[in-house]
Amino acid sequence: GQQLNQSPQSMFIQEGEDVSMNCTSSSIFNTWLWYKQEPGEGPVLLIALYKAGELTSNGRLTAQFGITRKDSFLNISASIPSDVGIYFCAGRNTGTASKLTFGTGTRLQVTL
Amino acid sequence: DGGITQSPKYLFRKEGQNVTLSCEQNLNHDAMYWYRQDPGQGLRLIYYSQIVNDFQKGDIAEGYSVSREKKESFPLTVTSAQKNPTAFYLCASSKQGSTNEKLFFGSGTQLSVL
Repeated sequence: GQQLNQSPQSMFIQEGEDVSMNCTSSSIFNTWLWYKQEPGEGPVLLIALYKAGELTSNGRLTAQFGITRKDSFLNISASIPSDVGIYFCAGRNTGTASKLTFGTGTRLQVTL
Repeated sequence: DGGITQSPKYLFRKEGQNVTLSCEQNLNHDAMYWYRQDPGQGLRLIYYSQIVNDFQKGDIAEGYSVSREKKESFPLTVTSAQKNPTAFYLCASSKQGSTNEKLFFGSGTQLSVL
């Protein structure tokens, strides 16, 4: 099965810094979802995007649906220690019914 | 509270043994899914079900079986044919038919081989 290319694979940043990560696909998607997973838990939905060019915020998190419909970006502003976790992107295209394709994740570590 | 409940949280399997992971949801969602997660990797789809009494193979169905006898339940059996079963298993559900369909996850079951 296809997997999305997500980068970077891991990030080590200082508290207060801004974070950017992205996902790219060889296929066009009509939905992009961003999840956060903490150790030993299931992923939690952060932001959902449904239209090319859409920019959506959830507190300090902002995500964008790329114009080409083949990529998406997640930004975290002014990071705090509880932002630590693995961030996954997921995409769906019209030809795959309810099946989502997941990225390989970006592991975020925040130092004080 | 509405949500997805997976049990047990930790499970150990002996050689040649079948084990069953439970997944129950009270969100009235039509579709349910099972994913496997290995360290440092993304989620891979094992099986999914869009309606009661029907289910489809995902990308890595070999060595696994499922049933969907009730809307709220979607148990996964890891059979002895699955030679590398150690992984974190995630159950998810979604409400179908919406253009804004979102996937919600349970808290996972860690399966290990003794």
